[in-house]
Amino acid sequence: KAGVTQTPRYLIKTRGQQVTLSCSPISGHRSVSWYQQTPGQGLQFLFEYFSETQRNKGNFPGRFSGRQFSNSRSEMNVSTLELGDSALYLCASSLGGVGGELFFGEGSRLTVL
Amino acid sequence: GENVEQHPSTLSVQEGDSAVIKCTYSDSASNYFPWYKQELGKGPQLIIDIRSNVGEKKDQRIAVTLNKTAKHFSLHITETQPEDSAVYFCAASPYNTNAGKSTFGDGTTLTVKP
Repeated sequence: KAGVTQTPRYLIKTRGQQVTLSCSPISGHRSVSWYQQTPGQGLQFLFEYFSETQRNKGNFPGRFSGRQFSNSRSEMNVSTLELGDSALYLCASSLGGVGGELFFGEGSRLTVL
Repeated sequence: GENVEQHPSTLSVQEGDSAVIKCTYSDSASNYFPWYKQELGKGPQLIIDIRSNVGEKKDQRIAVTLNKTAKHFSLHITETQPEDSAVYFCAASPYNTNAGKSTFGDGTTLTVKP
């Protein structure tokens, strides 16, 4: 069974640009969550999508957005990039029911120059 | 909202020793507490979890204990091996909602010296 796939794995952008990251969940999983991981900050919750609807949202500015498609694949977008957006962005999928294990991808490492 | 504090931030042990990582949480509604292990260059992977109706759970060399009254839970690794070296994260979420929105601790970097 294929795991969670995130693309691209690495990317470099400059301030002011925008970026789109993609996540393909495990087959059958309907929930996709996004987390930002920075050194010393742990994993910060961005948002969660379930059946194409945003079900939960973390405390990030509106520059961070996402969407989910009918096949459960998800994308997140960051507009007007800032230096502080440099981080590892992790996607996690789950069946979407109550509780339960999150299955993480290997992440997309974004560097903003 | 929920706040999870994790200690220590770094932990170094000799191979064969035990390692203990502790977490505290603030929201009494939280009742699902997973632990994830993240190896270099990889995403976090669940190693053990516990729900609030259980005080302790064990899986081979790994165990987790939960004290709901004190709002803290701990990860115990016995007979540590070099391959246990990784970053460990605790998390908390209300079980009566989806796990997609979990609150994580800041992580503990465990180093097991051969």
